[in-house]
Amino acid sequence: KNQVEQSPQSLIILEGKNCTLQCNYTVSPFSNLRWYKQDTGRGPVSLTIMTFSENTKSNGRYTATLDADTKQSSLHITASQLSDSASYICVVFPFNAGNNRKLIWGLGTSLAVNP
Amino acid sequence: EPEVTQTPSHQVTQMGQEVILRCVPISNHLYFYWYRQILGQKVEFLVSFYNNEISEKSEIFDDQFSVERPDGSNFTLKIRSTKLEDSAMYFCASNGKFVETQYFGPGTRLLVL
Repeated sequence: KNQVEQSPQSLIILEGKNCTLQCNYTVSPFSNLRWYKQDTGRGPVSLTIMTFSENTKSNGRYTATLDADTKQSSLHITASQLSDSASYICVVFPFNAGNNRKLIWGLGTSLAVNP
Repeated sequence: EPEVTQTPSHQVTQMGQEVILRCVPISNHLYFYWYRQILGQKVEFLVSFYNNEISEKSEIFDDQFSVERPDGSNFTLKIRSTKLEDSAMYFCASNGKFVETQYFGPGTRLLVL
C-alpha cells in the first residue's frame, strides 16, 4: 500500500535555530516528491519538487534531500523565523501514465518557532 | 503572481442541504482538483478534472458529489445532500499541462450542522 510517514509529528524550536523534518515513503514507482508548507487555515504552498534522480534541492532557507534507494526525504530549515511556524507536509506523486493526478499525502509535521 | 481563488471562505449549512463550492483556477491551467481536509487529519484527494471530464476520483467522491466547469473560468464542487461528516476544509487546486506543481486555493471551510 502506498504510504507516506512523517516524523516528528510536532516540533518546537527557538527562532534562529535549524531543524530537520523527516519523510519515509513506500510509494513505488514514483514520479516526484514534494514538500508543502501549510499555514493554519490556509491551502498548502509548494516548497520543493524533487524527481527520483535528484538528491538535493533548495528554496531559500529550505533544503530538501531525497534518497530514492532508502525511500527517505528530509526538509532542513535554516535560521528559522517565526513565520516558519506551520505544518510541513511531504507528498509523493506516484508514477502514472495518462492524465491521472493522485498524490499520496503525509500527515505533516507541525512546527512551532518560538521567540 | 496568479493564484487560485475560492468562494465562499466559510459556509455553514444544515444537514441534508445542497452546497456549491466555487473555485477559479489559474487561467492557463488545464488540470483541476478538489481535496478536503478534516480538522487535524491528512489532506484527502477527492477528484481530478481534465478536458471537461473527471479523470480520477477517490472512494470519498460518491454519488452525492459532482464537479462542473460551467464556463471558462469557474470550477465547482457540489455536495447534494450534506452530512455531518462532510464538515471539512475543501481545497481547490490546479496545474498546467507540463508543470507538476499544484497550486492550491485558500480553501472553503464547510460546517454541516
